[in-house]
Amino acid sequence: DIQMTQSPSTLSASVGDRVTVTCRASQSISSWLAWYQQKPGKAPKLLIYQASSLQSGVPSRFSGSASGTEFTLTISSLQPDDIATYYCQQYNSYPWTFGQGTKVEIK
Amino acid sequence: EVQLVQSGGGLIQPGGSLRLSCVASGVTFDKTYMSWVRQAPGKGPEWVAVVFPGGYSKSADSVKGRITISRDNSKNTLHLEMNSLRGDDTAVYYCARLWADIGSPYYMDVWGKGTTVTVSS
Repeated sequence: DIQMTQSPSTLSASVGDRVTVTCRASQSISSWLAWYQQKPGKAPKLLIYQASSLQSGVPSRFSGSASGTEFTLTISSLQPDDIATYYCQQYNSYPWTFGQGTKVEIK
Repeated sequence: EVQLVQSGGGLIQPGGSLRLSCVASGVTFDKTYMSWVRQAPGKGPEWVAVVFPGGYSKSADSVKGRITISRDNSKNTLHLEMNSLRGDDTAVYYCARLWADIGSPYYMDVWGKGTTVTVSS
């Protein structure tokens, strides 16, 4: 199985800060990576697919990038509504696997 | 607009079975790939299974041999049945619609709200 390792596990930042979450795959997954945002008691919401494609309706302050097996989710200017847990997920091969999550808090 | 409405779940005794349903609207269901994902309390999501339009399915090793995925295309409904339930099956179960750009693999773009399954005596 492909292991997805996210860091950090928790991130505290101020409103307006640039925030970066990293996800590393244990082997090549090409660009077949998605990022999800999950708020408490809610289903995950797709933000980014194919490593860097912004899902329709998602604010442009969210972006994704890739370099080899390392993937990054960036929030260019953190907003109060962005408080959530973020997960990466590879869909290159079965079983699909998720990272352990990054909880983003407001400082 | 794609919507997925889930039902089923609840409190189930160890060794028992569950049947979850997911009704899709806003899609051509008989051409739609679907998936099940679960999330144990305080944990990250775990992929459970994917089902192709024709009914073929693939599942995670953690549930293999215990689950049956079926779909009723006439009712736009996806079902998940699982038996021999144990405590670590306790989770919120989500169904999700899969989408793909031409030539690319499928990914989960729309999720149901989830249904809670608690396995306990």
